[in-house]
Amino acid sequence: EVQLVESGGGLVQPGGSLRLSCSASGFTFSSYAMHWVRQAPGKGLEYVSAISSNGGSTYYADSVKGRFTISRDNSKNTLYLQMSSLRAEDTAVYYCVKANSYGYLDYWGQGTLVTVSS
Amino acid sequence: EIVLTQSPATLSLSPGERATLSCRASQSVSSYLAWYQQKPGQAPRLLIYDASNRATGIPARFSGSGSGTDFTLTISSLEPEDFAVYYCQQRSNWHYTFGQGTKLEIK
Repeated sequence: EVQLVESGGGLVQPGGSLRLSCSASGFTFSSYAMHWVRQAPGKGLEYVSAISSNGGSTYYADSVKGRFTISRDNSKNTLYLQMSSLRAEDTAVYYCVKANSYGYLDYWGQGTLVTVSS
Repeated sequence: EIVLTQSPATLSLSPGERATLSCRASQSVSSYLAWYQQKPGQAPRLLIYDASNRATGIPARFSGSGSGTDFTLTISSLEPEDFAVYYCQQRSNWHYTFGQGTKLEIK
C-alpha cells in the first residue's frame, strides 16, 4: 500500500523558514517524480513544486520560485521542501504527492498545515 | 502560464442525474489533462488522466473527453458519494496548473 506521510508543518513568523518532509513507502520511491501541492484554507489547489525521480530536474511555481527548494533522498525514501522568506499567503495545507508513470498525481499524503503569522 | 477555467463554479443536481463539468485551457495542452475529486477534509483523488483514461479503481460512470483547449468530465448517473469539488489539472512541459474547481452539490 502506498503511504505518504508529511511532517514539519507548524506556525512560523513572516520571513521565517520551515522544512517539510514526506516519508514514502509502499512503492519504489526512486522510480517516480514527486510533487508538492498546497491548499489555502477554504481555497482551491495550487501547484508548488516537482522533482524528477533522480532529483536532476525540478520545477517551481512562480509564486514560490527563489524562496522554496525541493529535494529528495532516495536512500531514505524521503521528499523535502525547504521554505524560506515565508509570507502570510504561503499559509496552506501542503500535500506530498506521487506522480504516476504518465506524470499525473495518483497518490496524496494527508497534508501538513503551515501557518505564517506573527 | 497556462490558465485553466472551470465552469460552472457550482452545479446543483440530484442523485441519478447526469453531470457535465467543463474545463477550458488558455492555450492547447494537447491531451495532458487530468481530473481530480476532493471531498471535505480529504486529499484529492485522481479520476481521469490524459483527458479520457480512468485511473485505477474509478467507476465507469466517470468519463472524460476533449483535447486541445476544451475538456469535459461527465458523471453519467450521480451517486450520493459523488457530491464533491472537482478540479482539472494540466501538465504541459512540466508546467502544472489547476483549475479553480467546480463544486457539485446536492439539489
